[in-house]
Formats: sequence, C-alpha cells, structure tokens
Amino acid sequence: GAGVSQSPSNKVTEKGKDVELRCDPISGHTALYWYRQSLGQGLEFLIYFQGNSAPDKSGLPSDRFSAERTGGSVSTLTIQRTQQEDSAVYLCASSPDRGITYEQYFGPGTRLTVT
Amino acid sequence: GENVEQHPSTLSVQEGDSAVIKCTYSDSASNYFPWYKQELGKGPQLIIDIRSNVGEKKDQRIAVTLNKTAKHFSLHITETQPEDSAVYFCAASRNDYKLSFGAGTTVTVRA
Repeated sequence: GAGVSQSPSNKVTEKGKDVELRCDPISGHTALYWYRQSLGQGLEFLIYFQGNSAPDKSGLPSDRFSAERTGGSVSTLTIQRTQQEDSAVYLCASSPDRGITYEQYFGPGTRLTVT
Repeated sequence: GENVEQHPSTLSVQEGDSAVIKCTYSDSASNYFPWYKQELGKGPQLIIDIRSNVGEKKDQRIAVTLNKTAKHFSLHITETQPEDSAVYFCAASRNDYKLSFGAGTTVTVRA
C-alpha cells in the first residue's frame, strides 16, 4: 500500500519567509511524528501526535515552529521567519496504535534550504 | 534527556565480512532500542528492535545485543552484501514514541 508521503520534496526559501511542509501518513495510522535531520546528524524529535490527545511539542526548537494535524490525518509543519540554521531535511513518520506496534514508518522527507 | 552515542561514524567492510555498530545511552529508564537503515534519498526504515527484557534478538543476517547494566547495545550484520551499504541509526526510548537517535554510521560494503 501507499507509504508516508511528504511535500514538497525540496524547498528553497529566503531567510525571513514562512514555509509549510506537508505530511500524509499511512491510512489508519493514529500516531504521527516530525523529525529534523541536519547534515551528518541523527534525527531530532520535534513533535508527536497521537489520536485526539494533546500533542507532545517538547522537541520544537523555538516558537517559530508549529505543527497541526487536521482530522487525525494530514499534518502541516510551519516554520515562521525562517533562519539559515533551519536548513535541514524534515522527516515525517507514522505508526499504528502504539499499543500494538512501535515501528515508525518514515516518509522520504522535505529538504529545506534557507538562503 | 536521553543522549545516544554511536560508533563508528563510518565503516568499510569487505563483502562477506561482518559489520558491528555500537551505541551507548544515558537514560537508565530507556526500554526500547530500534535500529533504522537509511538509503540515499529515502526515509529511515526499521530493520530490527529490542526491548529491555531481552538480551539478544536475531533476524536472518542481522542481530542486536543489549547490555542494560552497561547501557550499551550493538548491531551485528553478518555476511555483508553490497545492498547493506547505507546509513544505520540506533535509537533509544523510555516511552516508545519519543526516540533519541544516534548520529548514524555510514556503512560501505566493498565488492
């Protein structure tokens, strides 16, 4: 079946502009995660959504970052007033109810470049 | 918070040889340890995971060992093949969803 999809695959933006990154999780998956992967680094947890529960936003690096998940499906990560240090690959993952399995299925990522 | 260190950062092995990647973690409450493989241009993919009540787990050519006392765990790939070339990440978690990742190991299998 279809995996996690993300759009756009690449985004180049000027410093100071706002960007929106989209994630379409696997149908039926209740949990959704956002990570940031800087060049040569591991993945940095940003935010976690599980069903109708309040999201865990503890990984968001600043108040310029926000995310929402509409209807328990599609999620959008918004970065306001982008800075050069925001340049990275942003990865989205989804998983079924965590009471069943813990595997996170990742999308291909959005490469963000802030000039 | 959790801190996961991964070594080596790069690993080159001859096809058919074994590859070993080691990780240490800091949070003694961590109880879930997955390993992910990331190929160029793709998102990471889970290849094996282990829980803290198990010391070793094997799946065909890959195995993971866990030493909770020493707070370290390792990935072993035997009989390496060219398609094993990728970046491998270890991770640790105390609550199953908030994964703390190591910095990754780039594995190159030489034909």
